[in-house]
Formats: sequence, C-alpha cells, structure tokens
Amino acid sequence: EAQVTQNPRYLITVTGKKLTVTCSQNMNHEYMSWYRQDPGLGLRQIYYSMNVEVTDKGDVPEGYKVSRKEKRNFPLILESPSPNQTSLYFCASSLSGGLHNEQFFGPGTRLTVL
Amino acid sequence: DAKTTQPPSMDCAEGRAANLPCNHSTISGNEYVYWYRQIHSQGPQYIIHGLKNNETNEMASLIITEDRKSSTLILPHATLRDTAVYYCIVRVAGANNAGNMLTFGGGTRLMVKP
Repeated sequence: EAQVTQNPRYLITVTGKKLTVTCSQNMNHEYMSWYRQDPGLGLRQIYYSMNVEVTDKGDVPEGYKVSRKEKRNFPLILESPSPNQTSLYFCASSLSGGLHNEQFFGPGTRLTVL
Repeated sequence: DAKTTQPPSMDCAEGRAANLPCNHSTISGNEYVYWYRQIHSQGPQYIIHGLKNNETNEMASLIITEDRKSSTLILPHATLRDTAVYYCIVRVAGANNAGNMLTFGGGTRLMVKP
C-alpha cells in the first residue's frame, strides 16, 4: 500500500532532550516536506527536500534540522526541543516539487515538550 | 498567494450533496484553486484542483465562477466519512512555489449527519 509513515505517533519529552521523528515513503517520491499544525495558525512548512541531499528551509525552520540521505526517508531532528515546539507534525511527499503534484501526508506525530 | 475565505462550519445530511463555498476575490490570473481535507487527527488529503474550468474526479466536483473570485466544492453524495475540515487554497503557478508548500487557513468544518 502506498503510504507515508511517521514514528513515533505520540511523544512526550522534556526541554533540551534531543529527539528525531522519522518519516518514510514507499512511492519513490522525489519531494518530501515537514509541516507543523497549531490551533489558529494552520499548517506551516518547516523544511522541504526536492531530492536526495537537497533540502531547504520552509516558513518556520528555527529549532529544526532535517536530512535526506536516501530517497525514502526524511527525518526531522530537534536538537534541543523547547515547549514552543509542542505541536502536531506532518510529513508529506509528492512525485516532484512541481505545483500540481498531489501531496500525500503521513498520519501525524503529536509532540509535547515539557 | 491570494487569501481565501470559507465559512467556519456547515452541516449536511447523509446522502445529500455537500456544497462548500470559498471566496478568493483577490485571485490573480496564474493562481490555481486547490482543495484538501483533513479528517480528525489524520493528515490532510488532496481532493481536487482547477484554474478556470470546472473539474470533476472520483471524489468531488469543483465549480469556479467565470470571474474566478469564488468556487464551490461539491461532494455529490456525502457520507458520514466525509465529516472533516475542508481547506480551500489558492496557489500561484510557477517554477518555485517554495518547494510545493501548502498554506492552510481555517477551513470549513463539515459535519455530515445521519
């Protein structure tokens, strides 16, 4: 089944403790992206990747890192999480970064930073 | 990208057509209208998109007014599983749209009732 998977689905952590949220897609998509969703602020893009070893900042990249060492995986790294990073995170992928490529979203990761 | 306005919520009876309006009065000539939906606690799901002609796919129909200042998403036979938040997004065509970034506003919360 074609899908985008994220792990973990739920995470509670403490300020400053490094964490990684994994994202994997099995559709051979070139483009992958991370979003965060917060009440009243909608969906905001954190980072995106047009292909392997090609990443770029979205709207709200501060406090996050990403890597794209292989096509299927696009992990999101929080080196020193803070409470303002408490949010619902979505990974998405599409065939390419072109305008009309439908984006497929993962199920989401709900992160709480205490 | 042009701003969109949607009613915050709507109800629809199961089996009837759900008509979800979107106002995008400041849309420019090279901007497309996209619709996504988000079922509670799941990742957003692409529905349909269009420029100026009406579009139909297996999920829905998109009707865009002649002046392109508004559009309507039609779910022809709504089911309980169509209960979700529906987002209307207007995006400019072009080679570099921030890497295919999607910007979601408040959306319309559609409640399909038995």
